[in-house]
Amino acid sequence: DQQVKQNSPSLSVQEGRISILNCDYTNSMFDYFLWYKKYPAEGPTFLISISSIKDKNEDGRFTVFLNKSAKHLSLHIVPSQPGDSAVYFCAASASEKLVFGKGTKLTVNP
Amino acid sequence: NAGVMQNPRHLVRRRGQEARLRCSPMKGHSHVYWYRQLPEEGLKFMVYLQKENIIDESGMPKERFSAEFPKEGPSILRIQQVVRGDSAAYFCASSRDPQGRGYGYTFGSGTRLTVV
Repeated sequence: DQQVKQNSPSLSVQEGRISILNCDYTNSMFDYFLWYKKYPAEGPTFLISISSIKDKNEDGRFTVFLNKSAKHLSLHIVPSQPGDSAVYFCAASASEKLVFGKGTKLTVNP
Repeated sequence: NAGVMQNPRHLVRRRGQEARLRCSPMKGHSHVYWYRQLPEEGLKFMVYLQKENIIDESGMPKERFSAEFPKEGPSILRIQQVVRGDSAAYFCASSRDPQGRGYGYTFGSGTRLTVV
């Protein structure tokens, strides 16, 4: 039973364009949502989070949108850069535990 | 910049041996979390510990796996009598307090366990 789903295993975009990564969840008890970035052979690095009381949070090139009624969140990266190429994990929590999706591999082409 | 330190980075064990994975949290962090990532999967929660206490071990397999976070020294994840299915990347994360989850826990680089 996957509570957090990232339905796109991979995404490829051109440098300078927008990258949109999507995530769906099923548990309405989740009250924090986070995005992590992961390079091969490294641990996940925290990118940005959003509380369930908000619908948008922005940090530089990264913006997370939350649609609670649809149980959907998305991460927008604009403009995309080659260094953004990595696996992006969506995570959600209702307690101290994080529940992760399977990740989306983003490739930004120069 | 002393982040979360995990060692070893790579560990090879034969079936039936024991694996010990170590995690030193960031300075000032007294909350430690272990996650496991199987190939092509996301990270799955295993256990949450504070100093000398296991707070939540709901993600730990019932047998062969144990974890501790002693008063002194690193947190240890111990896997006894390893099997091939234990091959995975094991990540440790730490936080100053559990309310820091909204700001993202700090993860270590992981230990990649291979059982041959």
